Amino acid sequence: NAGVTQTPKFHILKIGQSMTLQCTQDMNHNYMYWYRQDPGMGLKLIYYSVGAGITDKGEVPNGYNVSRSTTEDFPLRLELAAPSQTSVYFCASSYPDSYEQYFGPGTRLTVT
Amino acid sequence: AQSVTQLGSHVSVSEGALVLLRCNYSSSVPPYLFWYVQYPNQGLQLLLKYTSAATLVKGINGFEAEFKKSETSFHLTKPSAHMSDAAEYFCAVSAPMFSGGYNKLIFGAGTRLAVHP
Repeated sequence: NAGVTQTPKFHILKIGQSMTLQCTQDMNHNYMYWYRQDPGMGLKLIYYSVGAGITDKGEVPNGYNVSRSTTEDFPLRLELAAPSQTSVYFCASSYPDSYEQYFGPGTRLTVT
Repeated sequence: AQSVTQLGSHVSVSEGALVLLRCNYSSSVPPYLFWYVQYPNQGLQLLLKYTSAATLVKGINGFEAEFKKSETSFHLTKPSAHMSDAAEYFCAVSAPMFSGGYNKLIFGAGTRLAVHP
């Protein structure tokens, strides 16, 4: 089991550009999440999904979009990148009704 | 609303000393509580969890935490620190999702533990 994998590990984006952060899990988890981690702020939920075709906003969704066409994949799209989106992004997954989330290794994104 | 406060963004201990990382929570419903650890340049890994069974919970790598309802606390301890314990530690509380009854985790800001020889 690879668990939760994320690509890329690092990326530098120019202001106004767009990109997609990839997330894949091989544990057949229905629930998937995207968080951003900023120093001293903990993790903030961006978007979550409870199954293929079902997504919803978290605490900080502005500037991001998601889709969930398969159980395994949950990409995060940044449109018109801004410096405020410089952060470390984590994808996580879990079984339904389980509070235990499994995290990927993260993507460190810099917007300049 | 649910929230988590971790007291001390940085904690430094000597190798072999007691580790105590503090976490206080606020919850309008009986909580489930978690401690996650993040080693440098890695994702978060579950250390231990409280899910309303025993109030003293044992986790991996010799860590344990005690749920104290009267104090709304869930402090993390380890009797003897090891150099490999240096990491960032996050306390989290479960909370209902915005809709549909699905649960999410609310994370504290984290405590960075340094262990020196």
